[in-house]
Amino acid sequence: AQKVTQAQTEISVVEKEDVTLDCVYETRDTTYYLFWYKQPPSGELVFLIRRNSFDEQNEISGRYSWNFQKSTSSFNFTITASQVVDSAVYFCALSETWGGQNFVFGPGTRLSVLP
Amino acid sequence: DARVTQTPRDKVTEMGQEVTMRCQPILGHNTVFWYRQTMMQGLELLAYFRNRAPLDDSGMPKDRFSAEMPDATLATLKIQPSEPRDSAVYFCASGLRGGTYNEQFFGPGTRLTVL
Repeated sequence: AQKVTQAQTEISVVEKEDVTLDCVYETRDTTYYLFWYKQPPSGELVFLIRRNSFDEQNEISGRYSWNFQKSTSSFNFTITASQVVDSAVYFCALSETWGGQNFVFGPGTRLSVLP
Repeated sequence: DARVTQTPRDKVTEMGQEVTMRCQPILGHNTVFWYRQTMMQGLELLAYFRNRAPLDDSGMPKDRFSAEMPDATLATLKIQPSEPRDSAVYFCASGLRGGTYNEQFFGPGTRLTVL
């Protein structure tokens, strides 16, 4: 069965610190997709990234970067020079290639960035 | 500024009543997703549509839930009869993609309370 683990329940950092959110997944599929979502205190959901299992290149988008390590089944998310606006719950998710029945979310990591 | 809209934003109903939640995807998007978020279960993907056809709704309780897209500008999620355990925030998201999941844009959510 597919599973996503986000071992860090809550993280607090001071503004401008770098922070890495861990995501470890389990799947028997050779083809799958990994996702990150952000949920700020306002409650809306924001889609951040989708990565397929064939693309192990790391991705950078502004202050955000993602490190996909297939060998360790991890898809970690790093925020560089964190800001107060980054305070949110971040969810990692995993899906097989087709079908929503195996779309699995992690429990989320609550990030608090203090001024 | 194109965005996904959802109505109603809040709904309080009594057990046994029918509930219909509506979503207007971004014009031109061909993929629509329904998610549910509860304290106990976290985030779940209930169903998704591409080009108005349900690709997968296996995450949805079949006996009482139904999802449809009567036209390209409207997606509905119906619960009949509703139960207290259906209380949750229901998110709709839309995207533009010919294949699998790509970037998704979320609506503000419908907060459902079933008494």
